[in-house]
Amino acid sequence: GENVEQHPSTLSVQEGDSAVIKCTYSDSASNYFPWYKQELGKRPQLIIDIRSNVGEKKDQRIAVTLNKTAKHFSLHITETQPEDSAVYFCAARNDYKLSFGAGTTVTVRA
Amino acid sequence: NAGVTQTPKFQVLKTGQSMTLQCAQDMNHEYMSWYRQDPGMGLRLIHYSVGAGITDQGEVPNGYNVSRSTTEDFPLRLLSAAPSQTSVYFCASSYSWGAPEAFFGQGTRLTVV
Repeated sequence: GENVEQHPSTLSVQEGDSAVIKCTYSDSASNYFPWYKQELGKRPQLIIDIRSNVGEKKDQRIAVTLNKTAKHFSLHITETQPEDSAVYFCAARNDYKLSFGAGTTVTVRA
Repeated sequence: NAGVTQTPKFQVLKTGQSMTLQCAQDMNHEYMSWYRQDPGMGLRLIHYSVGAGITDQGEVPNGYNVSRSTTEDFPLRLLSAAPSQTSVYFCASSYSWGAPEAFFGQGTRLTVV
């Protein structure tokens, strides 16, 4: 099955700085890569996604990049704000199944 | 439009007991799934369904059963609860299997003692 590795496990950034989370996947057949944000005690929330035929996608302060050859994809958050503090999960879809990374706890320091 | 409704929110079971976690969506989504979330492990797929009458196993199906008799409902049954099933469970749905799970239920925190 698909194996998704996510780094780092924790990330602390100063407000206004950028945050980058990286994920790798194992199965080259995976073709859809969503990112989720989960605040403490809440349900996961889809924040951005990218398909395998696209190299980069941006939505305001959030961007994702995908390198199919290297089988890795990244989440970039610019101009971080306190409300960006949460756990972020990457995921990869292979066939009907979604496999998640272990998560990155992001803390934005004021 | 309620989205994905998941019940109960909290549950404590004794080892060996059975129970059903309920999940319903009112968006006519074809694809529904169940995940468990454990500390440091992200979400792991238990079972999924691509439409009424069709279910299949995910990554960690042992000890769980599902059925999909209608498009709206996708209950998860624990046959004989074990302490290893202590976890937070999420139901999710999307309009088709090709789309990511965009709608999650509120979650069920299950403790098996």
